Amino acid sequence: GAGVSQTPSNKVTEKGKYVELRCDPISGHTALYWYRQSLGQGPEFLIYFQGTGAADDSGLPNDRFFAVRPEGSVSTLKIQRTERGDSAVYLCASRLAGGPPTYNEQFFGPGTRLTVL
Amino acid sequence: DQQVKQNSPSLSVQEGRISILNCDYTNSMFDYFLWYKKYPAEGPTFLISISSIKDKNEDGRFTVFLNKSAKHLSLHIVPSQPGDSAVYFCAASGESTDKLIFGTGTRLQVFP
Repeated sequence: GAGVSQTPSNKVTEKGKYVELRCDPISGHTALYWYRQSLGQGPEFLIYFQGTGAADDSGLPNDRFFAVRPEGSVSTLKIQRTERGDSAVYLCASRLAGGPPTYNEQFFGPGTRLTVL
Repeated sequence: DQQVKQNSPSLSVQEGRISILNCDYTNSMFDYFLWYKKYPAEGPTFLISISSIKDKNEDGRFTVFLNKSAKHLSLHIVPSQPGDSAVYFCAASGESTDKLIFGTGTRLQVFP
């Protein structure tokens, strides 16, 4: 398919464990975003990559969260020592290119539902 | 602080009628506004956007209106169809950042 894909679709883990969530962006999209959506809320920004580098990681809640995009395509969001409050849907989005002036929208994947028991 | 607010958590409209979804924002530095639609178990899908230099953008049944002085935007869907039933998110971005700031969403139900 040509859309953004995310794996796994569901992840159940125990408190204190480490998890990795994967995002495959649309081919050719240089910008990649991670968001987190908690129940009853809108998506909340976590981190943005332009190419291989994190251009804005201001949304990462603490140092347990880390994301990489080593080759400028696939990205992995890593969460250490998971807590019950990390339970949410983690959304990935990609975009043809970052920045104005001509805005091009972000295309979202279906998300990974993370449940921390 | 919630920079983008959707104060109506739900809206119910009869098929064929107009649906009006509202969104308010507080940050005057936002210069682009978008509406996304979300079905259960799917990611948000882009619907329509508007630049801060405009006050209206239309695409088929969907029209977005922007009132900068009131820091308010609205999405009009006319005529509404049952397939429009979904959660609608308003989002905003600023010139200095690519991240989207989302509202909490409005669940639209279009009934026959």
